[in-house]
Amino acid sequence: SQTIHQWPATLVQPVGSPLSLECTVEGTSNPNLYWYRQAAGRGLQLLFYSVGIGQISSEVPQNLSASRPQDRQFILSSKKLLLSDSGFYLCAWSDPTRGYTEAFFGQGTRLTVV
Amino acid sequence: ILNVEQSPQSLHVQEGDSTNFTCSFPSSNFYALHWYRWETAKSPEALFVMTLNGDEKKKGRISATLNTKEGYSYLYIKGSQPEDSATYLCASPTGNQFYFGTGTSLTVIP
Repeated sequence: SQTIHQWPATLVQPVGSPLSLECTVEGTSNPNLYWYRQAAGRGLQLLFYSVGIGQISSEVPQNLSASRPQDRQFILSSKKLLLSDSGFYLCAWSDPTRGYTEAFFGQGTRLTVV
Repeated sequence: ILNVEQSPQSLHVQEGDSTNFTCSFPSSNFYALHWYRWETAKSPEALFVMTLNGDEKKKGRISATLNTKEGYSYLYIKGSQPEDSATYLCASPTGNQFYFGTGTSLTVIP
């Protein structure tokens, strides 16, 4: 069966510090991978998605970047965090071979920038 | 960016009440409509995946309908229970992107 791991679960970082959140998927190959953010009082905003190694699409210009160094690894990064980067970050995957089936989510990372 | 909208933003109902909320999406280039349930401190989990106009899905006390021509879906909860309290998200995938609505936060009061 497929599983998705995301870490860390919580993170408190000072303004201006770097960020690295990691997500890995097991039990599947060539998944579509996604990073979402839920800001306070808002829904899920799609930040990045990837259909393959090294292929990243950005949905919203921002202080963040994403990379996919391996087929089942997706990393969300920032060189210098802003207060507005605080929020709940979710990684997700979907199987592109099965049409428009559902996305499966990791446990999320609660990021607080102070 | 696909505009998927949900209403209401939040809802408080008494235990035993039935309730429903709406997801609207662009009807052009429609592929599928997903409903997810997101409980606090957990990950969103899919409730329904709907693809055909007129689709109706049911899981226990929860059901959903789909109108692709007019671009909306309804989620119904019959006889709400406190454990139904969660945020309910809809998403309309297009291409390789999953765009979510802002969600409806449901609180069921015992």
